[in-house]
Amino acid sequence: GEDVEQSLFLSVREGDSSVINCTYTDSSSTYLYWYKQEPGAGLQLLTYIFSNMDMKQDQRLTVLLNKKDKHLSLRIADTQTGDSAIYFCAESAGSSNTGKLIFGQGTTLQVKP
Amino acid sequence: DSGVTQTPKHLITATGQRVTLRCSPRSGDLSVYWYQQSLDQGLQFLIQYYNGEERAKGNILERFSAQQFPDLHSELNLSSLELGDSALYFCASSVQGALSDTQYFGPGTRLTVL
Repeated sequence: GEDVEQSLFLSVREGDSSVINCTYTDSSSTYLYWYKQEPGAGLQLLTYIFSNMDMKQDQRLTVLLNKKDKHLSLRIADTQTGDSAIYFCAESAGSSNTGKLIFGQGTTLQVKP
Repeated sequence: DSGVTQTPKHLITATGQRVTLRCSPRSGDLSVYWYQQSLDQGLQFLIQYYNGEERAKGNILERFSAQQFPDLHSELNLSSLELGDSALYFCASSVQGALSDTQYFGPGTRLTVL
């Protein structure tokens, strides 16, 4: 079935790189997303990658996809205190004309000054 | 700001009551989705509409219903509320509702059932 797993907590120092990991189970072609949720706020789309890609870079964000292991990671370079939030990995699932997202449990990123 | 609006922001009600949550999609988006975020279940897909028609159903209880109106806004109706229905309810929208679409989320409605 469809399942997305994430580690629950990551703590880093300001200026370091953060790497948040995610595994998914859907074996078909899919789209994978990273969303950010700050306290009391909604879900902000950060970036996404198609399952036929290996890597995508967007400013401080780098997404790496290992299709063989069904492993996705989000690297945040030069992490800032403003990056403290919960990060959700999500996989699109369904047929070509439906687009429900399956979310991981979320990884809480704590950035220490 | 994603362009998706949800009202109300907060809702406090009692068990057994019925509430309606409202969502307006981004301009030009034809599809809306509803998700529930709770501490024990995480973020779960409830239902998807495309241009007024139901397109996909997830873990939505029979006490819950939704619809999408001709102006494309959507409402999620929750009835016979239980304590366990307390959660953050998100609406998202996308252009065509396809697998490849990116979904943009609203700020959510926080429902507290006392």
